[in-house]
Amino acid sequence: AQTVTQSQPEMSVQEAETVTLSCTYDTSESDYYLFWYKQPPSRQMILVIRQEAYKQQNATENRFSVNFQKAAKSFSLKISDSQLGDAAMYFCAYRNAGNNRKLIWGLGTSLAVNP
Amino acid sequence: DTAVSQTPKYLVTQMGNDKSIKCEQNLGHDTMYWYKQDSKKFLKIMFSYNNKELIINETVPNRFSPKSPDKAHLNLHINSLELGDSAVYFCASSQAWSPKTNEQFFGPGTRLTVL
Repeated sequence: AQTVTQSQPEMSVQEAETVTLSCTYDTSESDYYLFWYKQPPSRQMILVIRQEAYKQQNATENRFSVNFQKAAKSFSLKISDSQLGDAAMYFCAYRNAGNNRKLIWGLGTSLAVNP
Repeated sequence: DTAVSQTPKYLVTQMGNDKSIKCEQNLGHDTMYWYKQDSKKFLKIMFSYNNKELIINETVPNRFSPKSPDKAHLNLHINSLELGDSAVYFCASSQAWSPKTNEQFFGPGTRLTVL
């Protein structure tokens, strides 16, 4: 069975600095998708960034980028130029390619941004 | 326009009662989901429907019964509510064959408190 591990329950960063949130996963599949979701205090779940396992290039979305290491089964999220609005819970999630649409979730990392 | 909506957003009720949470999506998606997020923020899939057909049914007490009258709606009915049912329940939707790797769009959540 697939698992997703986020080893940092809490992180903090100074405004305008860079922070990296770690995520590792376990799977025997070769084709899958990885996601980072953000959940601010409003509790709305928002997709931050996605990565297809068959793509070697790391995904980027503005200030958000990932370091996808397929062999190491690692999928870290880097937030550059951190802003106060980035403060939230961040969840890493995994999904097999194909018909099984179930997302496997990590336990989340709570990110605080200090002014 | 709200993409995925849930009603109610807050629900406070007594143990033993029966309650329903409604979910509607106007994205034209063919797959809908119910998740439970507990007090430790752990997200767990409960059910998923594709075109009104149940495709994911995790180990959930049979007091929980999903109903999908059409592919734009997935309601969750809970019988004989227990204290442990207190959580935030999220509805989500996705399109099975989307080029965007089946990104799931989440509703705002329903905070259920059982007294």
